[in-house]
Amino acid sequence: AQKITQTQPGMFVQEKEAVTLDCTYDTSDPSYGLFWYKQPSSGEMIFLIYQGSYDQQNATEGRYSLNFQKARKSANLVISASQLGDSAMYFCASDAGGTSYGKLTFGQGTILTVHP
Amino acid sequence: DSGVTQTPKHLITATGQRVTLRCSPRSGDLSVYWYQQSLDQGLQFLIQYYNGEERAKGNILERFSAQQFPDLHSELNLSSLELGDSALYFCASSQSKGGNTEAFFGQGTRLTVV
Repeated sequence: AQKITQTQPGMFVQEKEAVTLDCTYDTSDPSYGLFWYKQPSSGEMIFLIYQGSYDQQNATEGRYSLNFQKARKSANLVISASQLGDSAMYFCASDAGGTSYGKLTFGQGTILTVHP
Repeated sequence: DSGVTQTPKHLITATGQRVTLRCSPRSGDLSVYWYQQSLDQGLQFLIQYYNGEERAKGNILERFSAQQFPDLHSELNLSSLELGDSALYFCASSQSKGGNTEAFFGQGTRLTVV
């Protein structure tokens, strides 16, 4: 079974600074995907970034990058130049292999607060 | 806007009742997933349909059922509701049968059981 661990219940960052949100995963499947989603206070889930287990390079999407360290089973999200609108809950997730391919297992989330 | 539409946005109902949550996936997406988000359990996968057929099942209670129709919209039926069923229910859709592609989430249906 997949397990996603986010060890930071809350993080604070100053506006315009960079912040790293931690995520470790546990899977025995050779092929998997890693995802980050943002959930603002309004409740919707917004897809941010995706990393495939066979991707050689770290994924980047604008101000978001995923620091993928396969040997350590970590997939940390880096947000550069934080903005006030980045304040939200952030979830790390992974999809499973086999017949449950595509089903996402989520971590408990990290609440990010950006200070002006 | 993710392109996934969920109705209703809010639902308040009494214990023992039955409700139906509706989801229209993004145009072209064949997979629909249902998730439950509650304070104590976090975000949990319930069930996946691909092109009308059940593809994967998670921690879905027997009181809950889902289906995907020929036009690809999906419904999640919750019956004999209990206070503990109060949660945010998300529908997500993706193009593929399996993984390695992002799933786009709807805005969710907030269910309150009183």
